[in-house]
Amino acid sequence: SYVLTQPPSVSVAPGQTARITCGGNNIGTKSVHWYQQRPGQAPVLVVYDDSDRPSGIPERFSGSNSGNTATLTISRVEAGDEADYYCQVWDSSSDHPYVFGTGTKVTVL
Amino acid sequence: QVQLVESGGGVVQPGRSLRLSCAASGFTFHSYAMHWVRQSPGKGLEWVAVISYDESSKYYADSVKGRFTISRVNSKNTLYLQMNSLRAEDTAIYYCAREEVRGTNLFDSWGQGTLVTVSS
Repeated sequence: SYVLTQPPSVSVAPGQTARITCGGNNIGTKSVHWYQQRPGQAPVLVVYDDSDRPSGIPERFSGSNSGNTATLTISRVEAGDEADYYCQVWDSSSDHPYVFGTGTKVTVL
Repeated sequence: QVQLVESGGGVVQPGRSLRLSCAASGFTFHSYAMHWVRQSPGKGLEWVAVISYDESSKYYADSVKGRFTISRVNSKNTLYLQMNSLRAEDTAIYYCAREEVRGTNLFDSWGQGTLVTVSS
């Protein structure tokens, strides 16, 4: 089955930029979606199709995808961005087609 | 606005059964594929099952295949997950999630989840 690997944690100071990677074999050929999960809450979609934002999501959230790595970038980080972030793809060749990354805890210092 | 409300969780002994429900409102339920996604305590997200908008297709994660059954009643705007032969490793928060209507295989709305604890 397809595997998506994320760093367990990323720490960033307020106002700085956080970059969260999502590694997968030829992930650049797939559409990558990103979810934010604040403590005790349900996940929320923050980026879809590699780099698009749903309505209501700040422009500070952006994404890119190429080769074997997709990246979620959070600019001008705020305290409210502290959360777990998960990437997700659909792998048509797998019996388990809806694949989530391992998750990254973003800590705002 | 879109609302998904799960219910039916609780504490159950290994080997027993439980049925989860997800009541949907604020959108045309019968037009959307629906999913169950779970999250074990302190762990990441795991996709569990999907059902097409008209119930014609159902798919399951290997970890629950043969034990769990996803279903829906469109006239009641309700999604279900029948869980049989429960194991300790099924302990998790179970979320229902809506798949984006364009078929992009992403989850654009989530419920708040219901906790299932499998323990003797």
